[in-house]
Amino acid sequence: DVKVTQSSRYLVKRTGEKVFLECVQDMDHENMFWYRQDPGLGLRLIYFSYDVKMKEKGDIPEGYSVSREKKERFSLILESASTNQTSMYLCASSWAPGLAGNEQYFGPGTRLTVT
Amino acid sequence: AQSVAQPEDQVNVAEGNPLTVKCTYSVSGNPYLFWYVQYPNRGLQFLLKYITGDNLVKGSYGFEAEFNKSQTSFHLKKPSALVSDSALYFCAVSPTSYGKLTFGQGTILTVHP
Repeated sequence: DVKVTQSSRYLVKRTGEKVFLECVQDMDHENMFWYRQDPGLGLRLIYFSYDVKMKEKGDIPEGYSVSREKKERFSLILESASTNQTSMYLCASSWAPGLAGNEQYFGPGTRLTVT
Repeated sequence: AQSVAQPEDQVNVAEGNPLTVKCTYSVSGNPYLFWYVQYPNRGLQFLLKYITGDNLVKGSYGFEAEFNKSQTSFHLKKPSALVSDSALYFCAVSPTSYGKLTFGQGTILTVHP
């Protein structure tokens, strides 16, 4: 079975802190994604990566950055956390080719609260 | 720009009855369509997808969905609902296999015993 793990299930941070969310997948997937999930808004794509050291902005990249130094690991960074970044963050991965032709496998999510 | 609408925030159905969760989409060209399910405190799980071919797609846990190009819809269906089907369901669309997925806002399905 494909497994996508995220470093924390729950995280509480203060405004202005630098926050790292880690995601690891064990199926040698080329594509990895970071979404945030908010009630009534569904999932919105923050960033994605289709190869090591490659990254592309999604629909809502402002206030976030990412890092992919190894194929299995994709990190989401909040440079200076703000209260409007309080959300559920979901990581996903999928096989190439194509970003959407193959189904995505999701991690359990990290619920981040910024106070 | 592509978009997905799930017109019902909540769907309630009695166990054993058929269920339908609605989804309509807007995209340029031929769509790739997906349904995902999220159980409480879990990540999303893939249910089924339409890429091409037969308009009726069968997926996991007895779910199926029908692609209707003229109505730009991709409704999720199950002939006989189970209490364990209660979850949050998301429809998603992409314009091509190389496009980004756009998700709907989600529909909470509650199946009553």
